[in-house]
Amino acid sequence: DTGVSQNPRHKITKRGQNVTFRCDPISEHNRLYWYRQTLGQGPEFLTYFQNEAQLEKSRLLSDRFSAERPKGSFSTLEIQRTEQGDSAMYLCASSLSTGKPYNSPLHFGNGTRLTVT
Amino acid sequence: AQRVTQPEKLLSVFKGAPVELKCNYSYSGSPELFWYVQYSRQRLQLLLRHISRESIKGFTADLNKGETSFHLKKPFAQEEDSAMYYCAGRGFGNEKLTFGTGTRLTIIP
Repeated sequence: DTGVSQNPRHKITKRGQNVTFRCDPISEHNRLYWYRQTLGQGPEFLTYFQNEAQLEKSRLLSDRFSAERPKGSFSTLEIQRTEQGDSAMYLCASSLSTGKPYNSPLHFGNGTRLTVT
Repeated sequence: AQRVTQPEKLLSVFKGAPVELKCNYSYSGSPELFWYVQYSRQRLQLLLRHISRESIKGFTADLNKGETSFHLKKPFAQEEDSAMYYCAGRGFGNEKLTFGTGTRLTIIP
């Protein structure tokens, strides 16, 4: 499968613990996105990278959240001091910036489901 | 504010009947609109985008700028169409894709 890969698929953690998720985008894609999805809602934008540069962050991304894409390939999303409200599906997506008026659509991974107890 | 609205959380349609999933948007300028679908236990995947003007799995969607709508239609529903459907949009040249809350479509055999 050459699609977007996310690990782990599920994560259960206790409140106050730190967690880290990994996303491997489609290899030729230079843009990488993180979204969060809670029950009954559509995915909500968190942040995106072009290569290794983080170009936009949502106000949903509190100080406890940090995302990196150090070599412009895979990305990690870390949540520090987790809270029960962080329980959600965290989705990663990638796309190719073509420089044309319309960029390629987003391709999503299967997501990491986080449960904070 | 940029917004995508899907007024129906649930929609049930008999097999063979026409399907219409509603989507309205609020964007300035020339937005780009998409429909994504999520089948049971599968990842979110692109169904179609307005600039492609193509039909995928029998589904079509036309951007109506006057009504600011991008409704998804299929003339004859099939059981395999049962899934969660999300309308999404982004401003021209903008990378942030905004999703609606989704519509769960159930096809009744």
